[in-house]
Amino acid sequence: DAGITQSPRHKVTETGTPVTLRCHQTENHRYMYWYRQDPGHGLRLIHYSYGVKDTDKGEVSDGYSVSRSKTEDFLLTLESATSSQTSVYFCAISVAQGWYEQYFGPGTRLTVT
Amino acid sequence: KQEVTQIPAALSVPEGENLVLNCSFTDSAIYNLQWFRQDPGKGLTSLLLIQSSQREQTSGRLNASLDKSSGRSTLYIAASQPGDSATYLCAANSGGTSYGKLTFGQGTILTVHP
Repeated sequence: DAGITQSPRHKVTETGTPVTLRCHQTENHRYMYWYRQDPGHGLRLIHYSYGVKDTDKGEVSDGYSVSRSKTEDFLLTLESATSSQTSVYFCAISVAQGWYEQYFGPGTRLTVT
Repeated sequence: KQEVTQIPAALSVPEGENLVLNCSFTDSAIYNLQWFRQDPGKGLTSLLLIQSSQREQTSGRLNASLDKSSGRSTLYIAASQPGDSATYLCAANSGGTSYGKLTFGQGTILTVHP
């Protein structure tokens, strides 16, 4: 499972509140990603990181910010949650030595009411 | 912009049957293509990764092929079992960088009945 954990695993929050999701990896991989999965849209990339303090936007980055202050943690923040951000969020890492094969965490189910 | 399509959207087969899942992509400039399995309520499990320079990759009863020129990949599952029931996703790694960004298809929901 590439040593990836996500917290929390489930969260219910109200519209307008800030929310931070955490992804933690234990194997010092350089590349990390945040995706969201929605019925009808599949999995879409939100943000990714290619090193400490190095991040970039993905396909659906509006309303999200990320931070990576140390190799093992990649945080996803919803500054002011909206109902459209109700989704399942997956973190992934990419193994450079393995042709950049991506491995996924267990996911966080977020509901914004 | 890369677009990935998977056909069929759902497939139901009897146990023991050999089957093929299809994946097509619009931009042939990919670094690799990855197949995943997802069980209900769970994360994604990587099954196979095919480099752009490879034609196929095998793992146990699974065989994935890649034809970049036609923008197609197939996942062949031999002697299917009920435990193979899951959603199968393909994802193209493109975007001009090797660490890349995956573009996913919508998936094929596979049901193998005893």
